[in-house]
Amino acid sequence: ETVLTQSPGTLSLSPGRRATLSCRASQSVSNNYLAWYQQKPGQAPRLLIYGASSRATGIPDRFSGSGSETDFTLTITRLEPEDFAVYYCHQYGNAPLTFGGGTKVEIK
Amino acid sequence: QVRLEESGGAVVQPGRSLRLSCAASGFTFSAYGIHWVRQAPGKGLEWVAIVSYEGNSKYYGDSVKGRFTISRDNSRNTVYLQMNSLRPEDTAVYYCAKDGAAAGSNEPQPVDYWGQGTLVTVSS
Repeated sequence: ETVLTQSPGTLSLSPGRRATLSCRASQSVSNNYLAWYQQKPGQAPRLLIYGASSRATGIPDRFSGSGSETDFTLTITRLEPEDFAVYYCHQYGNAPLTFGGGTKVEIK
Repeated sequence: QVRLEESGGAVVQPGRSLRLSCAASGFTFSAYGIHWVRQAPGKGLEWVAIVSYEGNSKYYGDSVKGRFTISRDNSRNTVYLQMNSLRPEDTAVYYCAKDGAAAGSNEPQPVDYWGQGTLVTVSS
């Protein structure tokens, strides 16, 4: 099983600042099949990034993904009020599929 | 638009069984795999199972293998999750989710649409 470790657990930032979230895999993620989701309280997750760096439909360009093999990053430039949420990375290349433990981005 | 609606969540005693349903609409149901993903209260996401578009291939997470069974009825646009020998640690919101890869695609895709979830509580 590919274990995904996200850091930090919580990120406290002010609106307008840049957020950098990390996701480290216990083994290489096949073909960079790595996605990022955003989840707000009481809501289902929303797909942001797939294939490590491709934005999903309708996702603003302040969200970007990068990385390969075992180290991946989600960057949010200029945090907007609606961006404060929990973010999960997810690998869909190796069975069983797995999720990271999440990073909470909170308002400082 | 794509819609996934889960039902069947309830409070059940340990060791008992429960069946969840997921009714889908707004896309060609028979062309996509469907997942179940769960989230324990205050915790992260855990992948549970997937059934392929035609229903012939099924895969499970280690924590539910041998206890849960996923199936689908393409004539009813519905996916099911039969949960047996339930444990307190199965307590979670269970989400039904559409796979992003269409039938015949060689490229895996992540889940692109989710339902709103149904709560299963396992407690005596």
